[in-house]
Amino acid sequence: DTAVSQTPKYLVTQMGNDKSIKCEQNLGHDTMYWYKQDSKKFLKIMFSYNNKELIINETVPNRFSPKSPDKAHLNLHINSLELGDSAVYFCASSPNPGAGAQYFGPGTRLLVL
Amino acid sequence: SQQGEEDPQALSIQEGENATMNCSYKTSINNLQWYRQNSGRGLVHLILIRSNEREKHSGRLRVTLDTSKKSSSLLITASRAADTASYFCATDAGGNKLVFGAGTILRVKS
Repeated sequence: DTAVSQTPKYLVTQMGNDKSIKCEQNLGHDTMYWYKQDSKKFLKIMFSYNNKELIINETVPNRFSPKSPDKAHLNLHINSLELGDSAVYFCASSPNPGAGAQYFGPGTRLLVL
Repeated sequence: SQQGEEDPQALSIQEGENATMNCSYKTSINNLQWYRQNSGRGLVHLILIRSNEREKHSGRLRVTLDTSKKSSSLLITASRAADTASYFCATDAGGNKLVFGAGTILRVKS
């Protein structure tokens, strides 16, 4: 009965590979987010979807493509992985865009070798 | 660009002492939130204070907001070893997103 879940928890892969991270929330929220946390713990928003529609797309390389098949799921596909993509990726959700608390998943630790 | 900046970067105290963390930000905000992150875990929402509020309490947490100085503080009273974590402030300045600071690492020694 985890509120926001992500898979996989750990991802180790070679440079140039393509990988996906999946996120699901069972809170009934309309809005979901992807964040990247770097090695210095700085957390930056990448994307946000509201009811399956993209509403935030920060300056992220187009190798990153989010997909929201329904409002409970938000996946992140990364093409041609680079060393600099190594980070922890967090999914989060909130009842609606912007206002109020966000609920975070446990994170996916991506290491690109 | 980074909106919130926490101070200090790291704080080490004894169990039972109070811990105070500060956050400064640059633009007008709708609200400011504090989150906790335990090692290897996701962030957990602690408290939200709106721009028209000056102080808010939740259990052992006390948050203040000074919009004239664009700053906030988080006070944890009677700290416990379980409070050991990173604490982040996040500002809602509109645009449907939160902007997080770099965090304060709190270590509570038992």
